[in-house]
Amino acid sequence: EIVLTQSPTTMAASPGEKVTLTCRASSSVSYMHWYQQKSGASPKLWIYDTSNRASGVPNRFSGSGSGTSYSLTISSMETEDAATYYCQQWSSNPLTFGSGTKLEIK
Amino acid sequence: EVKLVESGGGLVLPGASLKLSCIVSGFTFSDYWMRWVRQAPGKGLEFIGEIKPDGSKTNYAPSMKGRFTISRDNAKNTLYLQMSSVRSEDTATYYCALYYFDYWGQGVMVTVSS
Repeated sequence: EIVLTQSPTTMAASPGEKVTLTCRASSSVSYMHWYQQKSGASPKLWIYDTSNRASGVPNRFSGSGSGTSYSLTISSMETEDAATYYCQQWSSNPLTFGSGTKLEIK
Repeated sequence: EVKLVESGGGLVLPGASLKLSCIVSGFTFSDYWMRWVRQAPGKGLEFIGEIKPDGSKTNYAPSMKGRFTISRDNAKNTLYLQMSSVRSEDTATYYCALYYFDYWGQGVMVTVSS
């Protein structure tokens, strides 16, 4: 089973600040997917196939990476971006999720 | 509009069985793989398993094999998760989702407690 390790576990960013969340896989994966989850709500697909924004996702969000190292970047933090972000892979069975990064607004 | 609505959760005794349902609309259910994911309170997302469009094949996360069974009734546009011999560790919100996780249900809470 591929283990996904996200860092940091928690962070706070100021409005306008650039934010980078990292996801490292225990073995190489072909793609990484990211989900945003706000408190009390279902997760939402945010970035798929490493770098594609899901429908409705603002273009301040971007994804990149390859192999065992992937990242999600917010070019300029906004209040509405405060949420928990999970990475996920299904290159290898079983599909697995990272433990999440909780992003707060300063 | 795509909709997935889970039901069947609640408070259940340890060792009991429970069957969750996920009724879908807005797309051709019989064309899609479907998945179940759970989330324990304050914890991350955990994949349970998935089922082929015609119901002929299922895959489970290793930790879920044996006590969880996924099935579907395409005539009723309904996905199921049968849970047996439940334990306190199964306390979680259970989500159904489309294969690519582009659509999720609102989740249903299952609490295992005596």
